[in-house]
Amino acid sequence: DAGVTQSPTHLIKTRGQQVTLRCSPKSGHDTVSWYQQALGQGPQFIFQYYEEEERQRGNFPDRFSGHQFPNYSSELNVNALLLGDSALYLCASSPDSPMGSPLHFGNGTRLTVT
Amino acid sequence: AQSVTQLDSQVPVFEEAPVELRCNYSSSVSVYLFWYVQYPNQGLQLLLKYLSGSTLVKGINGFEAEFNKSQTSFHLRKPSVHISDTAEYFCAVRSGTSGTYKYIFGTGTRLKVLA
Repeated sequence: DAGVTQSPTHLIKTRGQQVTLRCSPKSGHDTVSWYQQALGQGPQFIFQYYEEEERQRGNFPDRFSGHQFPNYSSELNVNALLLGDSALYLCASSPDSPMGSPLHFGNGTRLTVT
Repeated sequence: AQSVTQLDSQVPVFEEAPVELRCNYSSSVSVYLFWYVQYPNQGLQLLLKYLSGSTLVKGINGFEAEFNKSQTSFHLRKPSVHISDTAEYFCAVRSGTSGTYKYIFGTGTRLKVLA
């Protein structure tokens, strides 16, 4: 049973460019969340997708957008990249459950903006 | 707004010694609590979770945590650490109901096990 998979593993972009990161959730999970983890920091919530809609959003600008597909996979798009966007981007999936189902994380995409 | 505080950014400890990593949360409603571990260049892996019931929760790799509602704490412990336990540890809280729940993470504690 494959867990959460993310691609690519590493990415180098230039300021002002746009980037798309991809995530496939764990089998049986329908909710996908994206987190940004800067060096030496904890994960910061970007947004959460459920039933192909953005359900919740953290304190991130509109340059950060996403999408969820009918097969529950998801993309994170970042426009007009800034140096400060350099971070590890983590995708996490979970079932949409009232109980405290834990998040299952992928290994992340390391984005470097130069 | 809810928050999670991990009081120690770094904890050095000798191999086979006990360790406690501290976590406090702020919430006025029922919460679910989690500890995750992150090894270099990897994602987060679930160590243990508290949903309800017994306040002492046992997880993988010999770790355990105790939920203390009155002190709003969820400290992680291990009686004897190994070199392989060197990693970053994150405490997290989930609150809200289906459709509105959110996970909030602490800033992490770097556990360094010394030989």
